[in-house]
Amino acid sequence: RKEVEQDPGPFNVPEGATVAFNCTYSNSASQSFFWYRQDCRKEPKLLMSVYSSGNEDGRFTAQLNRASQYISLLIRDSKLSDSATYLCVVTSNMDTGRRALTFGSGTRLQVQP
Amino acid sequence: DAGVIQSPRHEVTEMGQEVTLRCKPISGHDYLFWYRQTMMRGLELLIYFNNNVPIDDSGMPEDRFSAKMPNASFSTLKIQPSEPRDSAVYFCASSFGYPLRGGPYNEQFFGPGTRLTVL
Repeated sequence: RKEVEQDPGPFNVPEGATVAFNCTYSNSASQSFFWYRQDCRKEPKLLMSVYSSGNEDGRFTAQLNRASQYISLLIRDSKLSDSATYLCVVTSNMDTGRRALTFGSGTRLQVQP
Repeated sequence: DAGVIQSPRHEVTEMGQEVTLRCKPISGHDYLFWYRQTMMRGLELLIYFNNNVPIDDSGMPEDRFSAKMPNASFSTLKIQPSEPRDSAVYFCASSFGYPLRGGPYNEQFFGPGTRLTVL
């Protein structure tokens, strides 16, 4: 089982739709969680962190479910400009004492007019 | 600030040749990360440095890969000899502190990447 798993999509949604992605992680001791956005042929950029209590940034809402070991990203009122690949990122402490920083393979979103 | 700078942006080379990728992190950042991205494997962390010292190189695929950070403003990733399976986009990223909290704290900033093609 991969450490961090995402549905690759693509998710094709019309403008204005609400869309949600999940990301599951295998290490129950994982500490920090993030969503990154990557446009085609560009570098990843931080979209938002994911806090235990859930957090919102405009049209974007991130949630963490430690019991089921997944994080989610909800996008409301989708815009054409939201079309991108969304990567979830998990940091964990390893048995070796080192930290691991693992990216999911990404979920592609295509918002259509 | 110019952000993280990587060079070259594109590299095409032949199997067996040595390849050197370069990165200049954001001034003041104390962590530097090298990643590789392919369609098959996604984004993989290869190695990261803290204050110019390699901390974890467990992601480096094999001895053909080596990375150095001689000072706070420069790092290299070298592949010798290169093989076709090394073809990928290589990203360098830097942060102030290890990315634990995100947001205005410890955010990783990525460079534009080097697209490597080994024929």
